[in-house]
Amino acid sequence: DAGITQSPRHKVTETGTPVTLRCHQTENHRYMYWYRQDPGHGLRLIHYSYGVKDTDKGEVSDGYSVSRSKTEDFLLTLESATSSQTSVYFCAISEPTSGSPYEQYFGPGTRLTVT
Amino acid sequence: AQKVTQAQTEISVVEKEDVTLDCVYETRDTTYYLFWYKQPPSGELVFLIRRNSFDEQNEISGRYSWNFQKSTSSFNFTITASQVVDSAVYFCALSDFRNSGGYQKVTFGIGTKLQVIP
Repeated sequence: DAGITQSPRHKVTETGTPVTLRCHQTENHRYMYWYRQDPGHGLRLIHYSYGVKDTDKGEVSDGYSVSRSKTEDFLLTLESATSSQTSVYFCAISEPTSGSPYEQYFGPGTRLTVT
Repeated sequence: AQKVTQAQTEISVVEKEDVTLDCVYETRDTTYYLFWYKQPPSGELVFLIRRNSFDEQNEISGRYSWNFQKSTSSFNFTITASQVVDSAVYFCALSDFRNSGGYQKVTFGIGTKLQVIP
């Protein structure tokens, strides 16, 4: 199994509070991703990183920011949580070689509830 | 734009029956990758298979088999002699192809929930 951990695994927070989710990998993979999973939508990409301090937006990035100061850590921050951000958040990693995108490996997920 | 359609939202079968999960995709790319992931009730996402657009050979792994047909843009997944442990949500996904090894955009279907009844 790929060495990916997420913390916390569960969190309940109130509307308007900031929240940070952490993804940690031990695989030294260059690419890291944050997805959210919601019923009827599958997984949707929030942000991704292609190296230390190199990040970019995905399809549902509004209300989220990310940071990557070390290869192994990728943080997702909800600046001011809203109820629409209640979801299960998955981190993923991959190491595409030139011209060959490899499969993404996923962390265990974080269930976030915003009340 | 990429799109993955899993028209079957939920399927129930009795144990030992065969079941096929459908996946239809759309892409303008001529080279791409297709994936299947399994999400058991415990919630983690498990990678099952990757197939590139150059290779239309079907693949079999134990009770699992995959049928890739470029002509119909389909990548269907069959479980033979289903077992209760196969109960899960299965996701089909499509990835574009970047020669530079750059960002890998992956589009997921909404998933098919399979329930295998003992």
